[in-house]
Amino acid sequence: GENVEQHPSTLSVQEGDSAVIKCTYSDSASNYFPWYKQELGKRPQLIIDIRSNVGEKKDQRIAVTLNKTAKHFSLHITETQPEDSAVYFCAALYGNNRLAFGKGNQVVVIP
Amino acid sequence: DAGVIQSPRHEVTEMGQEVTLRCKPISGHNSLFWYRQTMMRGLELLIYFNNNVPIDDSGMPEDRFSAKMPNASFSTLKIQPSEPRDSAVYFCASRVTGENTEAFFGQGTRLTVV
Repeated sequence: GENVEQHPSTLSVQEGDSAVIKCTYSDSASNYFPWYKQELGKRPQLIIDIRSNVGEKKDQRIAVTLNKTAKHFSLHITETQPEDSAVYFCAALYGNNRLAFGKGNQVVVIP
Repeated sequence: DAGVIQSPRHEVTEMGQEVTLRCKPISGHNSLFWYRQTMMRGLELLIYFNNNVPIDDSGMPEDRFSAKMPNASFSTLKIQPSEPRDSAVYFCASRVTGENTEAFFGQGTRLTVV
């Protein structure tokens, strides 16, 4: 099926350290991979996305890497801050316009 | 644009009652998604529409769930009869089909079935 697997489920990091979340997808035809951040009680919001014609994209303290051969992509957050504490969802857009999400990762930044 | 608008924000209903959730997508967006969020399953895709046509409803859990999109600016998700295990946050999202662009979420409807 068209699934997205996300690991680990919960990640605790010390403030200032880096956090990495990994996702795998099942369809090699997928070409768009967004990451969403959901703060407590709020809606998911896009923080960064990557298209299949690039291997890495950065935006300040966050970056996403894509390995199409292995069908996995990762979110990297550097110099973590308390406001980075949230649930992060990866997603993949499949060929039939189906946008499927992973189960989410709870990131806790410890001050 | 006000973004994706969902109503109601909160709904508490008794088991067996019919529940209707509503969504207004962003103007110009021609794809609309309904997701259900729970702690156990994360964001589950229930159904999505392209140009008002349902494309994939394989995520709809049971026949008690149905969704419609009568026009480009309105969609409903109906649960009849509702059960306690339907309690969750239901999100609607919209985007432009055919482009690798962002999907925007509504604020969600928190449904509690007692």
